Amino acid sequence: SAVISQKPSRDICQRGTSLTIQCQVDSQVTMMFWYRQQPGQSLTLIATANQGSEATYESGFVIDKFPISRPNLTFSTLTVSNMSPEDSSIYLCSVHGGGGTDTQYFGPGTRLTVL
Amino acid sequence: AQSVTQLGSHVSVSEGALVLLRCNYSSSVPPYLFWYVQYPNQGLQLLLKYTSAATLVKGINGFEAEFKKSETSFHLTKPSAHMSDAAEYFCAVSDGSNYQLIWGAGTKLIIKP
Repeated sequence: SAVISQKPSRDICQRGTSLTIQCQVDSQVTMMFWYRQQPGQSLTLIATANQGSEATYESGFVIDKFPISRPNLTFSTLTVSNMSPEDSSIYLCSVHGGGGTDTQYFGPGTRLTVL
Repeated sequence: AQSVTQLGSHVSVSEGALVLLRCNYSSSVPPYLFWYVQYPNQGLQLLLKYTSAATLVKGINGFEAEFKKSETSFHLTKPSAHMSDAAEYFCAVSDGSNYQLIWGAGTKLIIKP
C-alpha cells in the first residue's frame, strides 16, 4: 500500500483567506482523490485528480472554490479559496491502489478551522 | 445508483463483548466492498476488503466480515472488543466502473470498560 503524507496537518484560518493543502505519495499513482469530511459526517468526494488532465469535480464543488493541481504522479494540492466557517472540515487525500479492486489509501488528513 | 447503509450511527459494547457493525449495499452487480477505520484525529485505514474471492474476509486487528449476496450485506465483526477498537468505522462499496467508492454514513464504536 502507498504511504501518503499531507501538509499542513491542521490550520486555523481567517474567513476570506485561502489555504493550500499538499498531498505527497511515496510511489507513482495515476488517480488521486480529494475528500471533505465535515464534523461528525462521512466522506464527500470533492474531485478526482489525474496527472496530466484537469481535475473532475463532483456535483456541488467548483474549480474556483477548490482549485486542484496535479503536476506529477506523486503530488497534488488542493486549495480552499475565500474560506468561510462552513469550510471548517477535515480534508483528506487518497490514492487509487491499482490492482482492479478500487482500493483507496488515505493520507492522515488536514483539519481546517475557519474563524 | 449505488448506496450503502450502515445501521446505527453509534454502537456501544462492553470490553470483551462481540462487536457487530452492520452494512448493507444496493447493487445488482457483485461489488467490491470495504471497511475502513478512522481513529480520532487520524485518516482512514483499510481494515479489510471483499473482492469476490472468499466470502469470509479477515482483516487487521482481529476483525472479519462476511459477504452475503442474498442479503446484500457485509457486516463487520470481532469476537472480543478491546478499548483500542474505539473509533469510527466506514463501509464503502465500489461497482468497479469509475474507480470511486460510495461511502456509508459511518458507525462510531464505543467501548465500555
